Amino acid sequence: DAKTTQPPSMDCAEGRAANLPCNHSTISGNEYVYWYRQIHSQGPQYIIHGLKNNETNEMASLIITEDRKSSTLILPHATLRDTAVYYCIVRVYGSARQLTFGSGTQLTVLP
Amino acid sequence: SAVISQKPSRDICQRGTSLTIQCQVDSQVTMMFWYRQQPGQSLTLIATANQGSEATYESGFVIDKFPISRPNLTFSTLTVSNMSPEDSSIYLCSAVGGGDTEAFFGQGTRLTVV
Repeated sequence: DAKTTQPPSMDCAEGRAANLPCNHSTISGNEYVYWYRQIHSQGPQYIIHGLKNNETNEMASLIITEDRKSSTLILPHATLRDTAVYYCIVRVYGSARQLTFGSGTQLTVLP
Repeated sequence: SAVISQKPSRDICQRGTSLTIQCQVDSQVTMMFWYRQQPGQSLTLIATANQGSEATYESGFVIDKFPISRPNLTFSTLTVSNMSPEDSSIYLCSAVGGGDTEAFFGQGTRLTVV
């Protein structure tokens, strides 16, 4: 799986959009970008994934650059409950394999 | 989506003893995994739990220290053997269903070895 790079921490004001970047410059053509988050004292939770088109679900939006070397997870209206460590992971589509976690980004939503 | 139950949720154990952690999934899954999360760190894969056969361990993890069982498609156990304070971590069970489904995680077992 390709390596990802994320900033170690970010702050966001409650109610504002949180934009979490991820670099994955060595991503290959059959690798998807996945995002998980881990709220303190809980197991990781799946958020969203995508290949090259922008994706949106009830939790977040995923914007992937045209060259697929980076992506941004957007939480449109961050709440205090969104405070968590966010992990960007690259893996091959359809492979029921383990996830390789990097260090992630600690997002703190401030009141 | 699958729901994963882990037991116990936390424990404090004496060094030299062993603890078995149970992981139950509420639906049949293809793959089950065990991760370790040391204090302040990210998750590290311990092994893939294979149904009816020996688990596949990652580098740095051995069967004698972390024996794993998976007797059926929905249940697995991880034992942390001969514990030392360095084993104090959160241990997480994960499962993946058929096809390209996302991975699900249990809430973890917070282990403290004293």
